[in-house]
Amino acid sequence: DGGITQSPKYLFRKEGQNVTLSCEQNLNHDAMYWYRQDPGQGLRLIYYSQIVNDFQKGDIAEGYSVSREKKESFPLTVTSAQKNPTAFYLCASSISGRANEKLFFGSGTQLSVL
Amino acid sequence: KNEVEQSPQNLTAQEGEFITINCSYSVGISALHWLQQHPGGGIVSLFMLSSGKKKHGRLIATINIQEKHSSLHITASHPRDSAVYICAVMNSGGSNYKLTFGKGTLLTVNP
Repeated sequence: DGGITQSPKYLFRKEGQNVTLSCEQNLNHDAMYWYRQDPGQGLRLIYYSQIVNDFQKGDIAEGYSVSREKKESFPLTVTSAQKNPTAFYLCASSISGRANEKLFFGSGTQLSVL
Repeated sequence: KNEVEQSPQNLTAQEGEFITINCSYSVGISALHWLQQHPGGGIVSLFMLSSGKKKHGRLIATINIQEKHSSLHITASHPRDSAVYICAVMNSGGSNYKLTFGKGTLLTVNP
């Protein structure tokens, strides 16, 4: 079955540590996105990519980094510069990133600080 | 920036009831999405619409572009419908794919 796989489901970060969240899709989608979800707030866009080797900052990119070396993969690194990383992180994809495309989401990663 | 407001924030219903969740936005849009988030956290896209009405099973989504308002209806609600329902809009004229999300409506359907 085609879909988006995020791992791990739960992740713990120590002070000063960088951690990487995995996102893989086998839908052959060009566009991929990372969102952050905090309690009581709407999803916010961290980064998005519409093609391999290219990505754009979203609304809250500070303290995060991404790469898009393969079409299937869009890992997100939460760096030590992100001072409030505790949140639920969702990866999504769509066919090309144009308007009026259905979004497909992964099951999310809950990141907590030790 | 578009402001997206959902109402109610929380909704409790008895099995079989007709459910309505509302979404209002402040600026013209090109598309509106309704999403469902289950307790485990994963999100499923229910509808994407830019005009009129769409129906899938017991779910119906409508949008009124002039009034900047959309509704999601669930007929004959069931406990398995319990989830957070999220409205998201894409602004008109945007060159990048950026959605503005509402905070969600928590629906609980009791047996």
